[in-house]
Amino acid sequence: QLQLQESGPGLVKPSETLSLTCSVSGGSINSNNYYWVWIRQPPGKGLEWIGSIYYSGSTYFNPSLKSRVTISIDTSKNQFSLKLGSVTAADTAVYYCARALWLLPIYYFDYWGQGTLVTVSS
Amino acid sequence: QSVLTQPPSASGTPGQRVTISCSGSSPNIGTNTVTWYQQLPGTAPKLLIYNNNQRPSGVPDRFSGSKSGTSASLAISGLQSEDEADYYCAAWDDSLYGYWAFGGGTKLTVL
Repeated sequence: QLQLQESGPGLVKPSETLSLTCSVSGGSINSNNYYWVWIRQPPGKGLEWIGSIYYSGSTYFNPSLKSRVTISIDTSKNQFSLKLGSVTAADTAVYYCARALWLLPIYYFDYWGQGTLVTVSS
Repeated sequence: QSVLTQPPSASGTPGQRVTISCSGSSPNIGTNTVTWYQQLPGTAPKLLIYNNNQRPSGVPDRFSGSKSGTSASLAISGLQSEDEADYYCAAWDDSLYGYWAFGGGTKLTVL
């Protein structure tokens, strides 16, 4: 059974960089047809896709966040990571990592981490 | 403001059938398939429907999806108390360089 687990600081100061890592177990991150994804959810609000990465390193980002986001992948550690720069209080959210099947026309997020709350505050 | 539009709330009594709508546009629902997710309180979202109307194994057949043009719907029949949750639609949007679009979510209350 595939499992994803987010890790990283729960508190980040305004203007600094938010850094999270997603560790994947029970399966290889080197999988064809799957993207590895970051999604966030501000408290009491809906889901927002941040970006996706393929095991080859190719990436897609939410246009509204693209200038501040870096997503990387470490296949040797079966992990992928998120960096979000210049954070403000509006970036306070539960951050989820997930796996996305991409086999057009079929695609979906099938496995999710439990989520980690990151609060931006001084 | 979400790219896909859902009603913020819906409700029904046990045993009833409820539907949740998801309205989009040509680059997203009009072109690509729709997925639906159920989020129980305090938990991560769970895949409910993919490819407009397909259910992953383990999802009860009380849940069904449909799509027409630039809109989609999720129907839940035989409503149960454990169905009380937030429901989100999602679709790939081909505009700009492409991105995942979510609906704002619908909170379903079982009365």
